[in-house]
Amino acid sequence: EPEVTQTPSHQVTQMGQEVILRCVPISNHLYFYWYRQILGQKVEFLVSFYNNEISEKSEIFDDQFSVERPDGSNFTLKIRSTKLEDSAMYFCASPSSTDTQYFGPGTRLTVL
Amino acid sequence: QKEVEQNSGPLSVPEGAIASLNCTYSDRGSQSFFWYRQYSGKSPELIMFIYSNGDKEDGRFTAQLNKASQYVSLLIRDSQPSDSATYLCAVSAGGGADGLTFGKGTHLIIQP
Repeated sequence: EPEVTQTPSHQVTQMGQEVILRCVPISNHLYFYWYRQILGQKVEFLVSFYNNEISEKSEIFDDQFSVERPDGSNFTLKIRSTKLEDSAMYFCASPSSTDTQYFGPGTRLTVL
Repeated sequence: QKEVEQNSGPLSVPEGAIASLNCTYSDRGSQSFFWYRQYSGKSPELIMFIYSNGDKEDGRFTAQLNKASQYVSLLIRDSQPSDSATYLCAVSAGGGADGLTFGKGTHLIIQP
């Protein structure tokens, strides 16, 4: 299975602070996705990113969120002014050569 | 609103038996169907994908798709205790931009 890496594995922040979550997707793929999973709930799609642009986003992905590709290999999800309800696991996913998506290990975000 | 429905379980199956997991989806435009396995505290792990009506087998796993009934299933033969996990059904409209819509998952317990 192709490998997707994420950092940090756990991020603790104070409400109102900004956090940046990082992901290194499978190399040589232009599509990239972010999902979140609140504890005990289903995995929810946030945004897909293609060739340095947002391709599709869900209702969850409001102005509080942004995605960037700061260099050729890393992708980031920025959450501005975090809220308690932003506490969740955040997963990035990268496709293989087929239509499949492989998930990274996730970042557990805890907002206090 | 795209919906994916799964029985949350727990589904308890004796070791060595066949585990049958089911999923229905609401969007008739869905083209791609996936089964992920998620252990507690871990990220979703892709185990099967299916695009066409009928059966698809991979080792002990068989995915079944019936687009007319909007129904997807996963059979696990010769169930092992290590198969105990939450199984997530996910669908997409196909194409790279589309995020996956997940069900809440079925918690499977394989009894030794």
